[in-house]
Amino acid sequence: AQKITQTQPGMFVQEKEAVTLDCTYDTSDPSYGLFWYKQPSSGEMIFLIYQGSYDQQNATEGRYSLNFQKARKSANLVISASQLGDSAMYFCAMRGNTNAGKSTFGDGTTLTVKP
Amino acid sequence: GAGVSQSPRYKVAKRGQDVALRCDPISGHVSLFWYQQALGQGPEFLTYFQNEAQLDKSGLPSDRFFAERPEGSVSTLKIQRTQQEDSAVYLCASSLAEALSYNSPLHFGNGTRLTVT
Repeated sequence: AQKITQTQPGMFVQEKEAVTLDCTYDTSDPSYGLFWYKQPSSGEMIFLIYQGSYDQQNATEGRYSLNFQKARKSANLVISASQLGDSAMYFCAMRGNTNAGKSTFGDGTTLTVKP
Repeated sequence: GAGVSQSPRYKVAKRGQDVALRCDPISGHVSLFWYQQALGQGPEFLTYFQNEAQLDKSGLPSDRFFAERPEGSVSTLKIQRTQQEDSAVYLCASSLAEALSYNSPLHFGNGTRLTVT
C-alpha cells in the first residue's frame, strides 16, 4: 500500500518570498514517481513537477523545485519568489511500478500568498 | 481540444436518481482515469482505462458506480440510485502514456461537482 502525508493543512507566505510545502511518502515499490499538483479555486488540478525514484538530481521547473530525500522518504516542494497567483491547494502524489494506474494523493496544503 | 473537458460542471440530483458524468480526454491520450474528491481532501482513485479496456475498477465504492469508455476516447461515469454520500467532485484525467507508466503525469479536467439532496 502507498501513503502520502502532508502535515501542513495551511501555509502563509509573503509575496516574493520562498516557501516549502512538506510531503512524506511510504511505499514498498522499488520504482515510483512523485508528483506535485496545484488546484486553484477553479477546481482544475494542474501538474507542476515530477521526480523519479532513481533520479540523482532534484527536479526543477521554473520557480518550482523538489527537495527529494529518498532515505527520509520526503519530497518537499519549494516555490521561490511567491506570487499572488500561487495561492491555491497543493497536492503531493505518487505512482508506484506495481500498480502504476493508481495514483495516491495526500490531503493537500492550502497556500495563501500575502501581498 | 486544448485540455480534458468534463460535463456537466455542476450536477444536483435528488437521492435515488441516476446521473451520468462525461469526460472528453485530450485527443490521442491512451489512458483515462477517474477520481473522487471529497471536500477538503485529496482525490481518491476510482478506476482507469487504457484505450477501451478498463484495467482496474477496484476504487469504485459500490456496484452503483459504473464507468465505460467504449471507443477508447470519451468516458462516462454513471452512478445509479444516488445517495448523499456520493456528493463530491468527480475528476477525470488522461495521459498520453500507457496506464502503467508510473513516471507520467496526469492531465486533469475541471471536474464535475455532484450534490445529492
